[in-house]
Amino acid sequence: GNSVTQMEGPVTLSEEAFLTINCTYTATGYPSLFWYVQYPGEGLQLLLKATKADDKGSNKGFEATYRKETTSFHLEKGSVQVSDSAVYFCALTKGGSEKLVFGKGMKLTVNP
Amino acid sequence: NAGVTQTPKFQVLKTGQSMTLQCAQDMNHNSMYWYRQDPGMGLRLIYYSASEGTTDKGEVPNGYNVSRLNKREFSLRLESAAPSQTSVYFCASSETRQGLSNQPQHFGDGTRLSIL
Repeated sequence: GNSVTQMEGPVTLSEEAFLTINCTYTATGYPSLFWYVQYPGEGLQLLLKATKADDKGSNKGFEATYRKETTSFHLEKGSVQVSDSAVYFCALTKGGSEKLVFGKGMKLTVNP
Repeated sequence: NAGVTQTPKFQVLKTGQSMTLQCAQDMNHNSMYWYRQDPGMGLRLIYYSASEGTTDKGEVPNGYNVSRLNKREFSLRLESAAPSQTSVYFCASSETRQGLSNQPQHFGDGTRLSIL
């Protein structure tokens, strides 16, 4: 079946540090890939998405590239801020279904 | 613009009690979803509804029932609560129609439910 594996953390970084959160997936064919973010006490929000191989999604300084050859969708940000402290979820949809399959999430804390 | 609204935000139940979690969206979305979020498990789909009048089981449907009352509302019912159902429950909605795909899901702020 379809599945997502991501770094679980928790991870603590200093402000302005470089961030990478690894995400790999298992799916037949060509899934669509997403990163969602959950700020404390809130629901999930879409951060970025990519729907085909080599697409790059970007938003709020975050980027992720759909790599079919390595079945990966790693999230990166060059300089994190305290306001980026949140839980980050990698997810996929497959085969025309809108049902999301989530990774377990990774909690990021950014200290000033 | 409210988006997806869930009620209540918090609830404590005793084992065996019943309860309905309410969800409403004001974005005219066709599809709605119920998830549970548990530590170390990510989000798991309980039930979903692709359109008004239809519902389907997700990954973890046992112990739950749902009702898609109309296009706006999608409720989740626990008939006989068990401690294993202690979790944070999220409702979500998305726009789905012919020719439109990969639309984001919009989430409510969650209901934190404890079963004693």
